[in-house]
Amino acid sequence: EAGVAQSPRYKIIEKRQSVAFWCNPISGHATLYWYQQILGQGPKLLIQFQNNGVVDDSQLPKDRFSAERLKGVDSTLKIQPAKLEDSAVYLCASSSPGTGRLFFGSGTQLSVL
Amino acid sequence: GDSVTQMEGPVTLSEEAFLTINCTYTATGYPSLFWYVQYPGEGLQLLLKATKADDKGSNKGFEATYRKETTSFHLEKGSVQVSDSAVYFCALSGRDDKIIFGKGTRLHILP
Repeated sequence: EAGVAQSPRYKIIEKRQSVAFWCNPISGHATLYWYQQILGQGPKLLIQFQNNGVVDDSQLPKDRFSAERLKGVDSTLKIQPAKLEDSAVYLCASSSPGTGRLFFGSGTQLSVL
Repeated sequence: GDSVTQMEGPVTLSEEAFLTINCTYTATGYPSLFWYVQYPGEGLQLLLKATKADDKGSNKGFEATYRKETTSFHLEKGSVQVSDSAVYFCALSGRDDKIIFGKGTRLHILP
């Protein structure tokens, strides 16, 4: 069974630039999550989708972050414009509803200079 | 809102020592509880889970019991190995499958 795919693996940008991350969840998983993990901290939930609808985006900085999951499968997370404090690993995870078991991708390590 | 608090690290132990990593939670309703582990250079993966009060989750010699009365889910292992060195995250799943993580506890096991 293929796992959660994420790209790119690494990204280095300058502040005020824009960046986009892509995620393809495990086939059949209706729930998709984007987390931000700053070095030395736990994953912080940015947004949660159920199929192509948003369940929770209360911690997404909506003035600069956006995310979509148009066909209920792949998802993209965008930052525009980036700030230094956005440097982190961005994790995508998926699950089947009600199981609580997350399957994580390998993450995208973002460095904002 | 829901939250998870776990003990600060790093925790350093000798091989074969007993391990406890404390975790407490705040949640409305009856969440499911989890321990995830992140080995060096690898992604987060589920270690064990418990879905209701008094359930015990176990895997790879690790155990944790869902204690509703103390809102706790402490991780234990009787005899740790060098290969257990990793970062351990306590997490809960609340309403709408929203999954919240603690800050993580780094564990170092010395040979």
